[in-house]
Amino acid sequence: EPEVTQTPSHQVTQMGQEVILRCVPISNHLYFYWYRQILGQKVEFLVSFYNNEISEKSEIFDDQFSVERPDGSNFTLKIRSTKLEDSAMYFCASSSDGSNQPQHFGDGTRLSIL
Amino acid sequence: RKEVEQDPGPFNVPEGATVAFNCTYSNSASQSFFWYRQDCRKEPKLLMSVYSSGNEDGRFTAQLNRASQYISLLIRDSKLSDSATYLCVVNAPTGNQFYFGTGTSLTVIP
Repeated sequence: EPEVTQTPSHQVTQMGQEVILRCVPISNHLYFYWYRQILGQKVEFLVSFYNNEISEKSEIFDDQFSVERPDGSNFTLKIRSTKLEDSAMYFCASSSDGSNQPQHFGDGTRLSIL
Repeated sequence: RKEVEQDPGPFNVPEGATVAFNCTYSNSASQSFFWYRQDCRKEPKLLMSVYSSGNEDGRFTAQLNRASQYISLLIRDSKLSDSATYLCVVNAPTGNQFYFGTGTSLTVIP
């Protein structure tokens, strides 16, 4: 069964540094998402992406964050000038048909900011 | 008011029991509803979509009540492997943004 894959599985970074989290969505999917889950808290929507542009974003997704689909397969989340409170699990997801179809999640990147 | 609310539990039930979870959502214009399960420190995995007429998948039954703005999940004949956190997911009326509930914790006891 096709999978969403994410790399790295764990990223440790000094506060103030930039990080790039990578995702390879399922190949025939058109909608891509990033979520975060702070330890012990709920999954929070960050951003959705379709047709090479952001379709929606939450209040969390401020100027510190950006997304990109640099080629036909990768979907990246960049976090600039990381803060301690950015420490969380970051999940990428993809779906074939936006809100009408369920999303399939990657197994996440655990981001630890020191 | 939160977009999606769930009873966090925990629910501790014996094997073979039937257990039901409810979830309420705030925006009557939401159109898509899902149940996911999440094991500790793992990614959410789709359990089932929730359709207007209700739907069943083996031991799992999902119902949608639009008038009262809640969805439910019924698990029959609980197995040890059903132990997980169950997440209610609802889309925002704008379409491509999704809200997750905090999850309901289930432990099935031998």
